[in-house]
Amino acid sequence: EADIYQTPRYLVIGTGKKITLECSQTMGHDKMYWYQQDPGMELHLIHYSYGVNSTEKGDLSSESTVSRIRTEHFPLTLESARPSHTSQYLCASTDRNNEKLFFGSGTQLSVL
Amino acid sequence: AQSVTQPDIHITVSEGASLELRCNYSYGATPYLFWYVQSPGQGLQLLLKYFSGDTLVQGIKGFEAEFKRSQSSFNLRKPSVHWSDAAEYFCAVGINTNAGKSTFGDGTTLTVKP
Repeated sequence: EADIYQTPRYLVIGTGKKITLECSQTMGHDKMYWYQQDPGMELHLIHYSYGVNSTEKGDLSSESTVSRIRTEHFPLTLESARPSHTSQYLCASTDRNNEKLFFGSGTQLSVL
Repeated sequence: AQSVTQPDIHITVSEGASLELRCNYSYGATPYLFWYVQSPGQGLQLLLKYFSGDTLVQGIKGFEAEFKRSQSSFNLRKPSVHWSDAAEYFCAVGINTNAGKSTFGDGTTLTVKP
């Protein structure tokens, strides 16, 4: 099984702050993804990466940005957080066959 | 574009009873179908997937799902539910085997009564 880690697990911050949500995986997966999930709702893909220096926007528009400088690390940044950014953010990666998603435990972000 | 509907927002079953969670998809070609489970405070875990072949697929934790093209459905079943099965279940549909680009349903929350 892949190991994929997200920190922090919970984050409460004030409006206007810059934040970075961390995501790391130890299985050498090339493809990584960020999803946004509101309570009781489906997951929406907001960013993905197919390898180092490769990032793309997903189906749901997001004001966040991502970077992929190392294979194992795929952080998500919000330059100026707003209450509308309050949500759960899930990071995932797929194995070489791309047939199985491995998820982190998520970061629950609350912007006051 | 593909879409997926999970008609039941919340289902309650007694421990030991059978379970069926519904999933309907919309896609013009052969879909790639997935079921995930999300326990409270956790990420999603893949239960099973269907790409081709036998329409009845077996997954982990005793779950199975049946692909019915005529009904555009991919319902999840378990013959006897355990208390530890209480969680949220997501159906997802993709246009290829790249699981990361799937479209997810809204989820069904399962409560298990003792």
